Amino acid sequence: AQSVTQLDSHVSVSEGTPVLLRCNYSSSYSPSLFWYVQHPNKGLQLLLKYTSAATLVKGINGFEAEFKKSETSFHLTKPSAHMSDAAEYFCVVWPNSGGYQKVTFGTGTKLQVIP
Amino acid sequence: EAEVAQSPRYKITEKSQAVAFWCDPISGHATLYWYRQILGQGPELLVQFQDESVVDDSQLPKDRFSAERLKGVDSTLKIQPAELGDSAMYLCASSLTNQYEQYFGPGTRLTVT
Repeated sequence: AQSVTQLDSHVSVSEGTPVLLRCNYSSSYSPSLFWYVQHPNKGLQLLLKYTSAATLVKGINGFEAEFKKSETSFHLTKPSAHMSDAAEYFCVVWPNSGGYQKVTFGTGTKLQVIP
Repeated sequence: EAEVAQSPRYKITEKSQAVAFWCDPISGHATLYWYRQILGQGPELLVQFQDESVVDDSQLPKDRFSAERLKGVDSTLKIQPAELGDSAMYLCASSLTNQYEQYFGPGTRLTVT
């Protein structure tokens, strides 16, 4: 069984300050992990992915995430928030269990950026 | 850049009516997913296709929902009859076989009155 927990349902930052969105996972295997962003009334867009290569992953729009196996975490960061970053962010896990793979989405973190 | 197409973008229907959503995946993507996203929650997988075959429909309410992908390309998700609790965003995504990177369409926002 696997699960993913996004520790904050809402995060509020000032423009120009760092962003930290937290994600913890539970998996019996060595999972692949993703972050997606969803702007209002839009589909999800892939930000970045971890698939057992480098543990520090860089994505689009200045975002990055670090896979920490010992902490079962995959937190999303950005050094300086921009107004356009205001959106909802989803952490996603694939189990890499062999055979049929079932994806699990986190419940999402809504990021507010204050001017 | 290739995109997943969905239509309609918005649909308002009365309860007990039938409603259908259409999805056209990125060309060459054999795997297609339908998700339901209730406001304030993460997407929930309803059905996954590999080509024209259903791989997983364990979360699909089969008494009222049906999904098909007859030629292994585009897909239709149907609800009959619609209930108030079906109000949600319905998302379609596609991927290459055995690849986890999914590409999402813009979604269909369903409101049942």
